[in-house]
Amino acid sequence: KAGVTQTPRYLIKTRGQQVTLSCSPISGHRSVSWYQQTPGQGLQFLFEYFSETQRNKGNFPGRFSGRQFSNSRSEMNVSTLELGDSALYLCASSLDLMGHTEAFFGQGTRLTVV
Amino acid sequence: KNQVEQSPQSLIILEGKNCTLQCNYTVSPFSNLRWYKQDTGRGPVSLTIMTFSENTKSNGRYTATLDADTKQSSLHITASQLSDSASYICVVSFAGGTSYGKLTFGQGTILTVHP
Repeated sequence: KAGVTQTPRYLIKTRGQQVTLSCSPISGHRSVSWYQQTPGQGLQFLFEYFSETQRNKGNFPGRFSGRQFSNSRSEMNVSTLELGDSALYLCASSLDLMGHTEAFFGQGTRLTVV
Repeated sequence: KNQVEQSPQSLIILEGKNCTLQCNYTVSPFSNLRWYKQDTGRGPVSLTIMTFSENTKSNGRYTATLDADTKQSSLHITASQLSDSASYICVVSFAGGTSYGKLTFGQGTILTVHP
């Protein structure tokens, strides 16, 4: 059974640009959530989607947005990139809502903003 | 504010030794507490999940305990191996209000096992 797949694995962008990250959950999983991980802040919750609806949202500016498709695949978009957006972005999927069931993480996308 | 605090921040032990990592949380009410292992450059991997009514759960050489009254959890690693070198993250799931199911992460404990 394939795990959670995130693409791309590495990305370098320039300040002011926008970026889209992709996450394919484990087959049958309906919930996808996104996290930002930096050395100083640890793992921080961005948002969770369940059956194409945003269920929970973290404390990030509106430049961070996401969506989930009918096949449960999810994308995260960051507009007007800032240097501080450089981080490892992790996606996780679970059968039910993330808080209820075990979450499986992808390998992450390493975003560097220069 | 819902928070999860872990100690120590980092720990160095010799291969074969045991160690215990601590997690204190203020998340309330909560539905479950999880421990994850994260190797450098990789996504976290689940070790244990405990509901508020469970006191202990084991996964091989990893044993987690939970005291919901004092809001403390610990992860005990027995007979450490070099492959145990990683960051261990405590995560608590919120069980109240409009943010039901939201996960709060600790900063992690970096464990280094030396031969």
